[in-house]
Order: sequence, then structure tokens, then C-alpha cells
Amino acid sequence: GENVEQHPSTLSVQEGDSAVIKCTYSDSASNYFPWYKQELGKRPQLIIDIRSNVGEKKDQRIAVTLNKTAKHFSLHITETQPEDSAVYFCADLSGGYNKLIFGAGTRLAVHP
Amino acid sequence: GAVVSQHPSRVICKSGTSVKIECRSLDFQATTMFWYRQFPKQSLMLMATSNEGSKATYEQGVEKDKFLINHASLTLSTLTVTSAHPEDSSFYICSARGGAGSSYNSPLHFGNGTRLTVT
Repeated sequence: GENVEQHPSTLSVQEGDSAVIKCTYSDSASNYFPWYKQELGKRPQLIIDIRSNVGEKKDQRIAVTLNKTAKHFSLHITETQPEDSAVYFCADLSGGYNKLIFGAGTRLAVHP
Repeated sequence: GAVVSQHPSRVICKSGTSVKIECRSLDFQATTMFWYRQFPKQSLMLMATSNEGSKATYEQGVEKDKFLINHASLTLSTLTVTSAHPEDSSFYICSARGGAGSSYNSPLHFGNGTRLTVT
């Protein structure tokens, strides 16, 4: 069945450092991989996504890389700021291309 | 654009009662809506997928008779938690896919969620 593994579960960095979160998926037919940021008590916010026809996508301080052969994709945040502190979820469009399955989440803390 | 409105944002109910949560797409037609449940400090778990005019598809382990989903129009889906118990207390979030140019791998638009507390 569908499965998305996300690591690490918690990540603590100093302001200005980079943060990397990795996810692996099991469905070789998956072709859409979004990343969400969720602040406490709020809905997930899409921050970046990538489709399987590209290997990397960048939006200012945020980038996502995809390795289809290894079935993993990663979120990279550079020059982290305290306001980046939140829970980040990767997701994988699986199950016949109709449902979004989320990873377990990574709690990122950026310390000033 | 692509706003999903979810109501209520918070609800407290007594054990044994039913609660209805509404999810509306305000500026687009949502062909598919998804209902997720999120327990504290956990991930979003997909409960069911609903397509307008057809029965919802429930994920394994989700009781369809307890969590009634209705997607009667292209802009409204409802989730009714029947005979609620304290263990049903959770954050319920709907999301929708649709609108001009959307396809199966288009981004989902999320509602603000409903925090349900069953006493």
C-alpha cells in the first residue's frame, strides 16, 4: 500500500543554518510530491511541490529535490529564520493518483 | 482564488451526540474532496475521499457508518460524526481539488480545520 517515510521527526538548527528533511515513498507510480508547513492549530500550507518530470525546484530559500530511482525527495531550507519554525510534512500522491498521503512530519525549531 | 471554507472551527459536544462539519469551495467547483483527521502531534490521516454525486471511498479502518460523508454538490461536502465519543476528539480538516485547469496531480486546497472535543 501507500507509504511515505519522513526523517527526522525533530530538527533543531541555529538561525542562518540550513535545514534538510527527507522523505521516501514506495509507489513507483507516484508523480506529485508537495511539501506543507503547518503552524500550531492551523491548516497545512503548501510551500513547494515537485512533479516527477523534474529533479529539482527552487523558490527563494526553499528547494525540493527528487530522486525517482531511489524513490526519495528532500526539502531544503537555507538561511533559516525563527519564523520557519513549524511542523513540515511531505506528501505523496498515491493510490491511483487520487489521494494525498502525508509523512509523519518534522518539527523544525530555528533558534535565534 | 481557490478558497476552502470549513465550519465550524471549534465544536464541543456531549458523548453520544452527532456533529456535522461543512466544507465549501468558495470560488471553484471541487470535483473531489478529502477528509483528514489529525490527532495532537501527529500527521494528517486520510479518512475518506468523496466525489460529487457518488459514495465516498473510506480508508481502511475508518467506519463509514460512524463518519458519514455527503458530497451532494460541487461546492459542498459534509462530514457527520455520529454518536461521538471522547476518542473521536481530534482536528478534522477537509481539502478540495478542482477549479479551472486542475487535474489529478493539482495542489489541494485545505480548509482551516475543525477542532472537535467530545465530553
